[in-house]
Amino acid sequence: QITLKESGPTLVRPTQTLMLTCTFSGLSLSTSGVHVGWIRQPPGEALEWLAGIYWNDDKRYSPSLKSRINITKDTSKNEVVLTMTDMDPVDTATYYCALRRFVGQNYFESWGQGTLVTVSS
Amino acid sequence: QSALTQPRSVSGSPGQSVTISCTGTSSDVGGYNYVSWYQQHPGKAPKLMIYDVSKWPSGVPDRFSGSKSGNTASLTISGLQAEDEADYYCCSYAGSYTFVFGTGTKVTVL
Repeated sequence: QITLKESGPTLVRPTQTLMLTCTFSGLSLSTSGVHVGWIRQPPGEALEWLAGIYWNDDKRYSPSLKSRINITKDTSKNEVVLTMTDMDPVDTATYYCALRRFVGQNYFESWGQGTLVTVSS
Repeated sequence: QSALTQPRSVSGSPGQSVTISCTGTSSDVGGYNYVSWYQQHPGKAPKLMIYDVSKWPSGVPDRFSGSKSGNTASLTISGLQAEDEADYYCCSYAGSYTFVFGTGTKVTVL
């Protein structure tokens, strides 16, 4: 069974940098085709795809946020880290990580429980 | 890369059918047969209900069905049940290994 869990700060000040970690089990990040993505959801609003990283370190970003986000992985720990700079109150959201098992799987099979990040001074 | 357009809400009585539309462009919905649908209950993570336009993951009842025509995909819930009341989001592959979600639809069971 694949499980994912997000962790990081619950409160971030405006202009600070957010760092979130996705830790998962049941599948190795070194397995060919594995992809982990980050998706966020402001309170009462829609889901928004942010970024994704493949087992081979190929990285993809949302065009609208590309200048502010970076995604990295630590294969030995089965962790994926999302970094978002210059945080603003509009970035207040629940941040989810989600997994795709192989390259041709163009949907998110497994999701973490999400972590709420509030941006406020 | 703009969000896919969904109706804000749809409703139906138990046993009825409801259909949710998801409209994109030729760069996403219309360009690929990679539309997925997610169900989200309040305070919960999204759950995959349909993938590749019309395929069911294991464990999802066949009351849920998907289709696509041109730049618009649809999710139909037949035999509506109380537990189907939730928010539903479509998602499409948008090329270059990127994705775009829909604006979300609240399904109310009357």
